[in-house]
Amino acid sequence: GNSVTQMEGPVTLSEEAFLTINCTYTATGYPSLFWYVQYPGEGLQLLLKATKADDKGSNKGFEATYRKETTSFHLEKGSVQVSDSAVYFCALAAYSGAGSYQLTFGKGTKLSVIP
Amino acid sequence: EAGVTQSPTHLIKTRGQQVTLRCSPISGHTSVYWYQQALGLGLQFLLWYDEGEERNRGNFPPRFSGRQFPNYSSELNVNALELEDSALYLCASSTGVISGNTIYFGEGSWLTVV
Repeated sequence: GNSVTQMEGPVTLSEEAFLTINCTYTATGYPSLFWYVQYPGEGLQLLLKATKADDKGSNKGFEATYRKETTSFHLEKGSVQVSDSAVYFCALAAYSGAGSYQLTFGKGTKLSVIP
Repeated sequence: EAGVTQSPTHLIKTRGQQVTLRCSPISGHTSVYWYQQALGLGLQFLLWYDEGEERNRGNFPPRFSGRQFPNYSSELNVNALELEDSALYLCASSTGVISGNTIYFGEGSWLTVV
């Protein structure tokens, strides 16, 4: 079946530090890949996505590149801010073995940025 | 354009009771998804509806059920509530089943079972 594995948190960084959150996946076919962000007390918001190999998704200074050869979609940001403190979820969208479409999430990585 | 809307935002129920959660998708979206986010457990897929039909179901007992109406809005029903049902229930919608269509989430319904 499809699965997503992302680095466990929590991750604590100082403001302006470099961020990497690792994400690897297992899927049949050709999945689309997503990063969602959940700010405290809120629902999930789409941060960025990539739909095919070598695509780079980017938004708000965050980037992630769809690497089919390493089945990875690592999230990076060059300089984090306190306002980036949130839980980040890596996800994939693909057809499951039963022939139905499903969005599968990683367990989430909590990021705390301190001034 | 209005996003995915869910109601109620917060509710408290007693063990054994029943609850109905509601979701209105983004206009033009035909697929609705339900997820449970319990503390420390990440997001667990519950149900997927498209064009009024249940397309897929996660690994949850039958007391979790739902439906999608002709206007594509959806309800999630949970019967015989248990303490471990306390969670954030997230609804999401998309334009269809093709991989790559972005799925948009609502703010969620916080359910506390006491």
